[in-house]
Amino acid sequence: GAGVSQTPSNKVTEKGKYVELRCDPISGHTALYWYRQSLGQGPEFLIYFQGTGAADDSGLPNDRFFAVRPEGSVSTLKIQRTERGDSAVYLCASSLQRGPPGTDTQYFGPGTRLTVL
Amino acid sequence: SQQGEEDPQALSIQEGENATMNCSYKTSINNLQWYRQNSGRGLVHLILIRSNEREKHSGRLRVTLDTSKKSSSLLITASRAADTASYFCATYGNKLVFGAGTILRVKS
Repeated sequence: GAGVSQTPSNKVTEKGKYVELRCDPISGHTALYWYRQSLGQGPEFLIYFQGTGAADDSGLPNDRFFAVRPEGSVSTLKIQRTERGDSAVYLCASSLQRGPPGTDTQYFGPGTRLTVL
Repeated sequence: SQQGEEDPQALSIQEGENATMNCSYKTSINNLQWYRQNSGRGLVHLILIRSNEREKHSGRLRVTLDTSKKSSSLLITASRAADTASYFCATYGNKLVFGAGTILRVKS
């Protein structure tokens, strides 16, 4: 079956611009996660959705970052007034969340590489 | 900030040899997970070990967990060129926290 998909695969923007990154989770997965991965580092947690609501947004670095999941499926990560330091690969993952949080396998998408010039 | 720290940062071995990667962490956890990442397949979950487990096997993978030392190890036996990738440990307390990873290169 289809895995997690993310669009675009690459995004180049200028400092100060607004960007939206999209994640299509695996059908039926209620949990959705966003991570950010800088070069040479592991992924860093940003936000976790259970259904339509953000259950944990403690990883969002500042108020320029916002994410939505209005219908409990597709999610959009929105970054306002982008800065060069926002350049990274943004990863999305989804899971079934059958048991307690953290016990299900998270399936990752290929990521969106964001470059802020 | 990242909690897990992998050791070594990079490892180069010959095909057929075993590869051992270590992970240390700082706070209490519910479980610890290992992931593999390469350019072809992205980030893939390998194995999860719960905090009350000491050892777990999956195919050629063996994971140990020592909660008293706050450390884990991943052993890949009989390595193959296709095992070349970055390997990350990730601890779960109330969210998944990844380390910086070990780059494994298996030479054929």
